[in-house]
Amino acid sequence: QPVLTQPPSASASLGASVTLTCTLSSGYSNYKVDWYQQRPGKGPRFVMRVGTGGIVGSKGDGIPDRFSVLGSGLNRYLTIKNIQEEDESDYHCGADHGSGSNFVWVFGGGTKLTVL
Amino acid sequence: QVQLVESGGGLVKPGGSLRLSCAASGFTFSDYYMSWIRQAPGKGLEWVSYISSSGSTIYYADSVKGRFTISRDNAKNSLYLQMNSLRAEDTAVYYCARVGRGLLDVWGKGTTVTVSS
Repeated sequence: QPVLTQPPSASASLGASVTLTCTLSSGYSNYKVDWYQQRPGKGPRFVMRVGTGGIVGSKGDGIPDRFSVLGSGLNRYLTIKNIQEEDESDYHCGADHGSGSNFVWVFGGGTKLTVL
Repeated sequence: QVQLVESGGGLVKPGGSLRLSCAASGFTFSDYYMSWIRQAPGKGLEWVSYISSSGSTIYYADSVKGRFTISRDNAKNSLYLQMNSLRAEDTAVYYCARVGRGLLDVWGKGTTVTVSS
């Protein structure tokens, strides 16, 4: 099954841009990854799904146009432009993996985004 | 609006049992697969279990297999997680989530389970 790796932290100034990275383990370059936003003390919220061709399907409800994704090789990126205070959150990436009669959903460790 | 509300969390001793519930509203519950995901304090998300819309297909993470049982009652728009033989490492916030378009598109606010003597 794939392993998803995320840097534990990132920061950006108000109004700036930031790109968060989720890296798939070797051999899983064709996998799609889902991004989730989790504000402090809240449950996660779906942001969008990304493959090597970019966004797959549509964004989650209420996700602003400032959020975009790209995919390249083993990396799946979430970019946030014109960062606002409400973007300060933990961002998780996840992917489902089915193999024969088995199924797992795996997540990265999450990246804590601090808005300066 | 579409909503998931978890309940049933609490403090339980190691080896004990607990049953979590998730009440769904605002959508046709019986049309959707559902899942449980947990988050230990200060940690990332961990998928726990997954059940098909009819309940005929079920999967578990290895960490809970044989101890946890997922079920659903489509007439009551409810999802359940029966947790037995609880361990300290099961301490977490437990979220239920709807599986839409193959992804976890709606999440609840979670219920806290603490396993401690």
